[in-house]
Amino acid sequence: SQQGEEDPQALSIQEGENATMNCSYKTSINNLQWYRQNSGRGLVHLILIRSNEREKHSGRLRVTLDTSKKSSSLLITASRAADTASYFCATDAGKETSGSRLTFGEGTQLTVNP
Amino acid sequence: DGGITQSPKYLFRKEGQNVTLSCEQNLNHDAMYWYRQDPGQGLRLIYYSQIVNDFQKGDIAEGYSVSREKKESFPLTVTSAQKNPTAFYLCASRRIGAGNQPQHFGDGTRLSIL
Repeated sequence: SQQGEEDPQALSIQEGENATMNCSYKTSINNLQWYRQNSGRGLVHLILIRSNEREKHSGRLRVTLDTSKKSSSLLITASRAADTASYFCATDAGKETSGSRLTFGEGTQLTVNP
Repeated sequence: DGGITQSPKYLFRKEGQNVTLSCEQNLNHDAMYWYRQDPGQGLRLIYYSQIVNDFQKGDIAEGYSVSREKKESFPLTVTSAQKNPTAFYLCASRRIGAGNQPQHFGDGTRLSIL
């Protein structure tokens, strides 16, 4: 079953604007991860945030996690046309030392117009 | 460079035929995963393996089979029992035992019915 749900399903913005995508989940997690997928390609890992962290930055990416609300957001600042892709959140409920499964959301399709 | 190789990129299946999708990794990862992705949707877990000669069913294992005879290889067979096999199949791997680790993905195999 899909635990993560992304919102919105699709987002269209102009270059230079910020893009915010949200993810909600239902059960306790060890960490939450965000991935990017270009059309017809595999997923690429962007950022991982642990359950005891509230915010994490990586370049133009900012991820927040609110475990009390079971939600996360991904902010892409100063977007570029090359950021056009689908973005997925994935939750990991397993132990840190295990090869446990991830549960993926349905994704947000981001289009950045030049 | 280290990575995950999926082959073939495109595959066509005839009625009643079994087909096998290849996934090879040279990342020395212990855990490997197979996902199915339908158009505009997220990833659903088919099977995963955390160690050689052992694997577990995911959410949609019916009509699929796997083997894990070598650490670097995790082939997926789509059997004739899978009545709706048309989809994009993604293989992933993950390091175990080093804290929270992301999954690394191949570039997928697109399977269609003839």
